[in-house]
Amino acid sequence: QVQLKESGPGLVQPSQTLSLTCTVSGFSLTSYHVHWVRQPPGKGLEWMGVMWSDGDTSYNSALKSRLSISRDTSKSQVFLKMSSLQTEDTATYYCARDLSPLMYTPYFDYWGQGVMVTVSS
Amino acid sequence: DIQMTQSPASLSASLEEIVTITCQASQDIGNWLAWYQQKPGKSPQLLIYGATSLADGVPSRFSGSRSGTQYSLKISRLQVEDIGIYYCLQAYSAPYTFGAGTKLELK
Repeated sequence: QVQLKESGPGLVQPSQTLSLTCTVSGFSLTSYHVHWVRQPPGKGLEWMGVMWSDGDTSYNSALKSRLSISRDTSKSQVFLKMSSLQTEDTATYYCARDLSPLMYTPYFDYWGQGVMVTVSS
Repeated sequence: DIQMTQSPASLSASLEEIVTITCQASQDIGNWLAWYQQKPGKSPQLLIYGATSLADGVPSRFSGSRSGTQYSLKISRLQVEDIGIYYCLQAYSAPYTFGAGTKLELK
């Protein structure tokens, strides 16, 4: 059974760094790409970046200077770190899996439940 | 970045009615288009990918089509469980971009 679950702090202070973990089960990180998507309260979806199955990464250029995605395949975990957080980074953060293994199919068929992160002092 | 212009922003329809939502891409994206449904407090669910392919487990009343750079999602007979917000996604090139969403309500 495919599952993704995000975890991390619910509250982050402005200017601090956000660290989130996406723990997956039911598939291998060396076969499927895993994306991060966020959604501010009451607003739309924004693609943040991807950990490709080969270990490479791609980022949204709007966030690239602040964003880092990494992984630990032995623990089936993908990590997101974003620095210099501001109030506008308040959002629900999702990790999501690509549709097909080892192919370019950036359609997200399985999503985590999301983790709400509030940036506030 | 590729812009996706989604319309309408909101839509009120009756049960069994045909509903159509559209997305206009700012450039050619081929068939690299997906549609998602999101219900309150839930994660988005993939409905359509490759512009016209139905995702696993999605009812056949949902369909996708393409005309040039305009993409449409059609719900052939609206059901209560179809209420939610719908988003398109261009998957042609990073950064992958979503439409602003269409809020579908029951009339």
